[in-house]
Amino acid sequence: SYDLTQPPSVSVSPGQTVSITCSADKLGETYVSWYQQRPGQSPVLVIYQDSKRPSGIPERFSASNSGSTATLTIGGTQPMDEADYYCQAWGSSTGVFGTGTKVTVL
Amino acid sequence: QIQLLQSGAEMKKPGASVKVSCKASGYTFSSHDISWVRQAPGQGLEWMGWISLHNGITNSAQKVQGRVTMTTDTSANTAYLELKSLTFDDTAVYYCARMAAVNAFDIWGQGTLVSVSS
Repeated sequence: SYDLTQPPSVSVSPGQTVSITCSADKLGETYVSWYQQRPGQSPVLVIYQDSKRPSGIPERFSASNSGSTATLTIGGTQPMDEADYYCQAWGSSTGVFGTGTKVTVL
Repeated sequence: QIQLLQSGAEMKKPGASVKVSCKASGYTFSSHDISWVRQAPGQGLEWMGWISLHNGITNSAQKVQGRVTMTTDTSANTAYLELKSLTFDDTAVYYCARMAAVNAFDIWGQGTLVSVSS
């Protein structure tokens, strides 16, 4: 199974681009999903299968996964994007979440 | 509208058991597996386990193995999570989540707060 490491926090100005990393050995060999969780709410899927966006997720959310790092990028960040973000992967039929990253829009 | 509706908050004493339900609507229940995820106060998401709606096979995280039971009632479109021998560390919001393409969690329940207190 994986231990998925994320930076605890990142900050971004409105309209700017922010990237969040998720690291684990050979992570690129499996699919990664990303979830957004606003305070007091259930998580929401924003990226699946490394880089695909579910219906209804804005195009400013993009992602990639290669080598040992998966990256979620929010372009043209809006105040509503302030939330916790978690990467997630599967290893040996066991699910694992990343440590989580708090995105602050200043 | 596709949704998962979970049972209400629970307060339990250490050593007790709790059973949380998750009722699906708006889609064919048997077409998607269900995972359970919990979140302790102020902490991150923790995957607890998964149940196949195809054959009932389950797999759980090592941390809760032996204490967790996941079941479904397809006639009621409902999944259940039972956790036994509760400790203070089991205090958390428990979520059920539908598993979709490549096992991403595309629909989440609203969460059930389980508080363990003496």
